[in-house]
Amino acid sequence: ETGVTQTPRHLVMGMTNKKSLKCEQHLGHNAMYWYKQSAKKPLELMFVYNFKEQTENNSVPSRFSPECPNSSHLFLHLHTLQPEDSALYLCASSAGLAGSYEQYFGPGTRLTVT
Amino acid sequence: GQQLNQSPQSMFIQEGEDVSMNCTSSSIFNTWLWYKQDPGEGPVLLIALYKAGELTSNGRLTAQFGITRKDSFLNISASIPSDVGIYFCAGSTDSWGKFQFGAGTQVVVTP
Repeated sequence: ETGVTQTPRHLVMGMTNKKSLKCEQHLGHNAMYWYKQSAKKPLELMFVYNFKEQTENNSVPSRFSPECPNSSHLFLHLHTLQPEDSALYLCASSAGLAGSYEQYFGPGTRLTVT
Repeated sequence: GQQLNQSPQSMFIQEGEDVSMNCTSSSIFNTWLWYKQDPGEGPVLLIALYKAGELTSNGRLTAQFGITRKDSFLNISASIPSDVGIYFCAGSTDSWGKFQFGAGTQVVVTP
């Protein structure tokens, strides 16, 4: 695998379900990001991790819970979501404090909440 | 909060034409990035800009970091069908790599 991978690519879940999104970067980066992309809106930054430490939580509702066990992996745990949470969830990584801030994105997970 | 305005929202052009789009901010940025996103995929980094006045090319793409540090421009020369997609700008002011993104410019190329 190269670059940034995300699984699953598509997810349909009910409002009472619990699911997790997974992101893995193979670029040796130290910073990882979660974004939400809704139709016709700019990308919304959700969380930032630098060296496994959360450095940004952009006022995200607690039904989204991130986890970063190491610099290569990032998870987004989902529970009791709302239909308006349906969107494309993108993961990105960058060298961060150790280098440039150019962010490289994964293909995204298309989430539909029913 | 910071506002990042990207224009135009969409463009319908003929193959072979040049394309120009821009982003403006209410704040000064230290870094500008330009991305392209195809349907069902994540954004792909095209060009990164780090200095005011910087002009950088990537094939038929050329981007500039505005002198005021509040704007950036992307040009695509001699467009081809595979240039179809949504182009995003992103700007950052801080050292944590936190970027603001534009809403995107949708480019449609007709033969």
